[in-house]
Amino acid sequence: DQQVKQNSPSLSVQEGRISILNCDYTNSMFDYFLWYKKYPAEGPTFLISISSIKDKNEDGRFTVFLNKSAKHLSLHIVPSQPGDSAVYFCAATEIYNQGGKLIFGQGTELSVKP
Amino acid sequence: DTAVSQTPKYLVTQMGNDKSIKCEQNLGHDTMYWYKQDSKKFLKIMFSYNNKELIINETVPNRFSPKSPDKAHLNLHINSLELGDSAVYFCASSRTGIPPQHFGDGTRLSIL
Repeated sequence: DQQVKQNSPSLSVQEGRISILNCDYTNSMFDYFLWYKKYPAEGPTFLISISSIKDKNEDGRFTVFLNKSAKHLSLHIVPSQPGDSAVYFCAATEIYNQGGKLIFGQGTELSVKP
Repeated sequence: DTAVSQTPKYLVTQMGNDKSIKCEQNLGHDTMYWYKQDSKKFLKIMFSYNNKELIINETVPNRFSPKSPDKAHLNLHINSLELGDSAVYFCASSRTGIPPQHFGDGTRLSIL
């Protein structure tokens, strides 16, 4: 019973173009969403988050969009750089109800080609 | 000045052995977690502690026992290791259970 899904295991993008990573969730009680980036042999690093009271959050080249009615979020990276090549995980939680428990998707491997 | 550090990074051992993984954070957080990433790359929570008190205990075999001597440390002890325990184990911490969580670099456990 996978509550958070990333249906694309991999994505390849040209340097300078936009990368769009997608994530779907099933639990309507989730009210906080995060994106993590992971390099091989390292732990996940927090990238950006969004509360369910917003539909967009931007931080530099990274923007997260939330569509609550569709239970869908996406991460946009513009412009993409080779250093962005990594596995990206989305995660969701009920921020005050679950003791900090994050439910993760299975990740999307982004490859940015020069 | 690593924020969340785990030791060892790699652990290779035989079935039936008992092993421990240590985790320390210097972020001043009061909540710490253990996650398991299996061969299918899913990251799943196992335990969380807040100020040395167990908060989350997912359906994990009781061969796994977390121990929190203080709020900066959360160790994971595993008894009678089985082949299915092979995975990468990540420690994480956060402030009062509020995201984001900060992760260590993981411990890759391989059971022979």
